[in-house]
Amino acid sequence: SYVLTQPPSVSVAPGETATITCGGNKVGDKSVHWYQQKPGQAPVVVTYDDSDRPSGIPGRFSGSNSENTATLTISRVEAGDEAHYYCHVWDDSGHHVVFGGGTKLTVL
Amino acid sequence: QLQLQESGPGLVKASETLSLTCSVTGASIWSSSYFWGWIRQSPGKGLEWIGSFHYSGNSYNNPSLNNRVTIAVDTAKNHFSLELTSVTAADTAVYFCATQTPAAIFRAFQFWGPGTMVTVSS
Repeated sequence: SYVLTQPPSVSVAPGETATITCGGNKVGDKSVHWYQQKPGQAPVVVTYDDSDRPSGIPGRFSGSNSENTATLTISRVEAGDEAHYYCHVWDDSGHHVVFGGGTKLTVL
Repeated sequence: QLQLQESGPGLVKASETLSLTCSVTGASIWSSSYFWGWIRQSPGKGLEWIGSFHYSGNSYNNPSLNNRVTIAVDTAKNHFSLELTSVTAADTAVYFCATQTPAAIFRAFQFWGPGTMVTVSS
């Protein structure tokens, strides 16, 4: 079955840029979505269809996707960005939704 | 504004059937604009997709759940349900309902319910 691989943790200082990766075989051929989840809350989509951003999500959040890696970039990181982040794709061959294992973003 | 709300027993005995309902407001389950689905999250773990469906009858379930899943629509009310049979401790999780829009199985889950915790007891 299709697997998405994320680093378990990423740490960044306030004001710096955080980069969270999501690796998968030819993931560049799929639409990748990213979610932010804070403790005790439901996930919230921060980017979808690789690089689109829902209304209400700051422009500091951006997504890209190429070849075997999709990336969520958070610029000018703030303390409020500390959360778990998950990537998500649809696996055409297996006919199922796949989530990455999640990355905990720590703001130092 | 589209809103979803999960409801159901917080405690289920092992080997029995877990049953949850997702109530939808602000949109019709019979709209062609949405896929509706269930996702769960075991304590301290990541997200696991359970299944999704469209009112047209198009549906998909996670094969790893070994055909224990039934997702159904209540024809009289604007809600849909989840049944998971033969539960074990491994099914203890927060269960979320969510919707994908525009309606396509490869879309993002744009709206989520707050989630409901279900514990499987022995």
